[in-house]
Amino acid sequence: RKEVEQDPGPFNVPEGATVAFNCTYSNSASQSFFWYRQDCRKEPKLLMSVYSSGNEDGRFTAQLNRASQYISLLIRDSKLSDSATYLCVVTPPSGTYKYIFGTGTRLKVLA
Amino acid sequence: EPEVTQTPSHQVTQMGQEVILRCVPISNHLYFYWYRQILGQKVEFLVSFYNNEISEKSEIFDDQFSVERPDGSNFTLKIRSTKLEDSAMYFCASSLLAGVAYEQYFGPGTRLTVT
Repeated sequence: RKEVEQDPGPFNVPEGATVAFNCTYSNSASQSFFWYRQDCRKEPKLLMSVYSSGNEDGRFTAQLNRASQYISLLIRDSKLSDSATYLCVVTPPSGTYKYIFGTGTRLKVLA
Repeated sequence: EPEVTQTPSHQVTQMGQEVILRCVPISNHLYFYWYRQILGQKVEFLVSFYNNEISEKSEIFDDQFSVERPDGSNFTLKIRSTKLEDSAMYFCASSLLAGVAYEQYFGPGTRLTVT
């Protein structure tokens, strides 16, 4: 089983739609969870950290489900500028803070 | 807003040559990282660095690779004898500290092409 698994997509959605991505991770003792966004051939940019209680930042909501070992990202009212690849990132159990990346989920928002 | 910078943006080299990729982390950050991304694949961890020494490295980071913080601002990745399979995007990242709440910030990357 892959350490971090994501549906590669692409998810093609119209502007204004709500879209959700899931990501599963294999190590139940993983410590930290993040969503990053990556535009084509650019660096990963932090979108949001994911906390146990869930968190929201404007149109973006992230949830963590430790029991089922998945995190989710919900984007409401999609904009054309949201088109990108969304990377799920997990850090392993204690003692290391390296990032383990998923392969990413590609989102295309259509006019 | 502080950012991580990397030079060069693109490096072309011949197989067997040495390359040095340079990074300037965010000024008050203490942890530094190198990752790579082969075209079409996921981002992979190479090495983390703290207090002038390697704190962790991956299987990819073999004897051909080394890292150094030669002065108070630069952080470098050296590949001693490049191979075709080293062609990738190399990202430097830094974080204030290492811990549950500390996010890593990435530089724009250096695209390395080995011919």
